[in-house]
Amino acid sequence: DQQVKQNSPSLSVQEGRISILNCDYTNSMFDYFLWYKKYPAEGPTFLISISSIKDKNEDGRFTVFLNKSAKHLSLHIVPSQPGDSAVYFCAASGTASKLTFGTGTRLQVTL
Amino acid sequence: DAGVIQSPRHEVTEMGQEVTLRCKPISGHNSLFWYRQTMMRGLELLIYFNNNVPIDDSGMPEDRFSAKMPNASFSTLKIQPSEPRDSAVYFCATHRDRGRDTQYFGPGTRLTVL
Repeated sequence: DQQVKQNSPSLSVQEGRISILNCDYTNSMFDYFLWYKKYPAEGPTFLISISSIKDKNEDGRFTVFLNKSAKHLSLHIVPSQPGDSAVYFCAASGTASKLTFGTGTRLQVTL
Repeated sequence: DAGVIQSPRHEVTEMGQEVTLRCKPISGHNSLFWYRQTMMRGLELLIYFNNNVPIDDSGMPEDRFSAKMPNASFSTLKIQPSEPRDSAVYFCATHRDRGRDTQYFGPGTRLTVL
């Protein structure tokens, strides 16, 4: 039973364009959401997060949007760069320390 | 800071053999998490420790899996006996357990069970 779902296993975007990665969750107790980025042969690294009291958080080229009523969040990368090519994991947590991750979306940014 | 250290980076073994994966957390981090990454299920939490005590092991798939944290500097994940379906990448992650502190992941151990 996947409580965090990333329904697009892969996404291809041209350099300079916007990348939009989507994530849905089912557990209404989740109140904190994160995106991690993973390169091959490396562990995931933290990218950006958002608390449920906000609907948007921005950090440079990366913006995360949260729609609590739809239980949906998205990560926007603009402009996309070849170095952004990686697997992106959405994660969520409630009151405990543990994170529940999605299955990941592989982003390829083409020249 | 060396980050989270995992060993070995790669492990190839035969079905039925015992496998031990090791993790050294970042100094000062008091929570440690073991994850398994597969294509079908993404990153699954297997078990996590806080101050060396197991807090939630509900993700451990079956009795063949066990984890220990004998001190703040070391943790092991053991699979005995191993099966081909255990083939995956296993990650260790740690954090300081202060509010919403982020988790820092090690490079992972790629396990192949033949």
